[in-house]
Amino acid sequence: DAKTTQPTSMDCAEGRAANLPCNHSTISGNEYVYWYRQIHSQGPQYIIHGLKNNETNEMASLIITEDRKSSTLILPHATLRDTAVYYCIVRHGSGNTGKLIFGQGTTLQVKP
Amino acid sequence: KAGVTQTPRYLIKTRGQQVTLSCSPISGHRSVSWYQQTPGQGLQFLFEYFSETQRNKGNFPGRFSGRQFSNSRSEMNVSTLELGDSALYLCASSLELFSGANVLTFGAGSRLTVL
Repeated sequence: DAKTTQPTSMDCAEGRAANLPCNHSTISGNEYVYWYRQIHSQGPQYIIHGLKNNETNEMASLIITEDRKSSTLILPHATLRDTAVYYCIVRHGSGNTGKLIFGQGTTLQVKP
Repeated sequence: KAGVTQTPRYLIKTRGQQVTLSCSPISGHRSVSWYQQTPGQGLQFLFEYFSETQRNKGNFPGRFSGRQFSNSRSEMNVSTLELGDSALYLCASSLELFSGANVLTFGAGSRLTVL
């Protein structure tokens, strides 16, 4: 599975959009990009995932560049409850394994 | 729909003891994975079970073991506990064997403290 690089920490003002970048320059054609977040001492929470196209759900949007070497998670209107560690994970589309390789993630601090 | 349920949520053991943690996956989910989270190493994959068979294993010593029952519920066991085993142990389930197109859903974890 390809390695990802994320900033260690980011701040965002409450009510503003939070844009969390992720670099995955060695991604291969059949690897998916996943985003999870973990609020302190809780289990990771799935946010969104995608392969090639941009994706949107009720929580966030995922923008994947055309060359797929990077992506951005967008929380459109961040709230204080969005303060968490956000993990960007790249994972092969086959192989049928529940193994996700978590990096250190980005600590997002949403401020009033 | 109930989520992934882990018990116990908190426990304290002493060095040399053993511990068993339990995980009930989301109803209908057949694959269960286990992870260990520590401040130093972050989230690390332990093992995955599907149809009562271990399908994948992380890089952990043999003191860490697990099993899955016919109802998909899973347990993990750590024998001869060491101080370094203090961690948050997370269970995750997915509908079938996890593939790129579907999602892992995590439980709240079991916090183990070894004294």
